[in-house]
Formats: sequence, C-alpha cells, structure tokens
Amino acid sequence: DADVTQTPRNRITKTGKRIMLECSQTKGHDRMYWYRQDPGLGLRLIYYSFDVKDINKGEISDGYSVSRQAQAKFSLSLESAIPNQTALYFCATSDRTGGGEQYFGPGTRLTVT
Amino acid sequence: AQKITQTQPGMFVQEKEAVTLDCTYDTSDQSYGLFWYKQPSSGEMIFLIYQGSYDEQNATEGRYSLNFQKARKSANLVISASQLGDSAMYFCAMREGPASGAGSYQLTFGKGTKLSVIP
Repeated sequence: DADVTQTPRNRITKTGKRIMLECSQTKGHDRMYWYRQDPGLGLRLIYYSFDVKDINKGEISDGYSVSRQAQAKFSLSLESAIPNQTALYFCATSDRTGGGEQYFGPGTRLTVT
Repeated sequence: AQKITQTQPGMFVQEKEAVTLDCTYDTSDQSYGLFWYKQPSSGEMIFLIYQGSYDEQNATEGRYSLNFQKARKSANLVISASQLGDSAMYFCAMREGPASGAGSYQLTFGKGTKLSVIP
C-alpha cells in the first residue's frame, strides 16, 4: 500500500463549487504539505503543517484553506473554485529528521470548468 | 533571480548510455540541501537522491549519482546505464537553511528537464 494517499485522484467541478482534497499518510511523519503543479511552472507550495496545531501559508495560499485533522491527515479545500485553480495537486510529507526530503502522494488532477 | 535553474528543457539519451541533467542553484546560506525528483508520465513525484551542503562525498543511489560542485553551485544528476523506464520529467529542488531549522519546510523546485530514452 502507498505511504501517502490522496483522494480523489481526478475531479471535475464547476466554478463556484466547494471542493475538498484529502491526504493520508502512514509514514509517521510530522510534516505535511500541499503543492500545486502547473505546466511550465514547477511545483508551488500552498500550505504546510509541522504538526496538528501548526498550519502555515505557503507561496500561493489565496483561495485555499487547509485542515490538519490528525497527524496522518491533511486536507485542502477550495472554498469557491475558479478555472485558474485547474492543476495537479500534490500532498507531501517529511520527517523532522533527515535532510528534509519530501515524499509525495500520487496527485489529484483537478479541473474547474 | 531563480533559485533553481534547469537549463535543459528536454534531453535524449540512447538506452544503456549515461546522461547528465544539469542543475544550478543560488543561495547565500551555508547549510542547504539539494534533491532530485522523477515524475513519470503517470504523474507521481518520486524522490531520487539527496545531497547536503556539508557532505564531502557525492551522493549515490543505485544508478543515480549527484555531481555536487559547491564552488560552481551546481548539482547535476547523473543516470548511468539508462533504461526505457527512465523516460520522465526530472526536477531539481533545494532546501535553504539547516534541515532542522524553521526554513526546512521549503523546497524550491526548478522547472524540470524532460528526459527521453531512445531504444
């Protein structure tokens, strides 16, 4: 079984709808992250969390919110989806030890029409 | 200025040959880390290799090695004996500051190099 899972894997939604992307991990890592990937722009950090009580904004947090329900669960919400939020979304985790390498989930492909 | 620069949008390599993917970085921190990730067409991001700025030896992981030239601020990925399954996008990334520090959450990614392995 995958260490980092994301649901759904694909989603098509309409402008103005609320949508939640979920992430679960079995790696036992404290730190969790949400990124989005757009063609030609690489990965950009949306939010990150160092533990259940610690949530921080990343580079592009506007239009998004997150919830860390447990050490193993970190969800991303789009309160009112817009077409330019169409992207590939990744959840990632890392341990407080080691070099800071992050381990990614399989991604969620979101299309907002 | 970009913190991570990957100058090769696309590369071709013959199967079984070695290939080098370029990455240069820009940081004023003394402690930092460099990473390479692989993204196949299926979309997942796979961690390949890590090099710390104080590591004296170049990192190696199986067929992957990282050619770290600190003075030149380069961290090139070398893939030996290329296989068809190596065809993918490859991203270089950097962590600025010590791994245990407040900034250790932040990985800055380059825009990637698309590698195609030719049979």
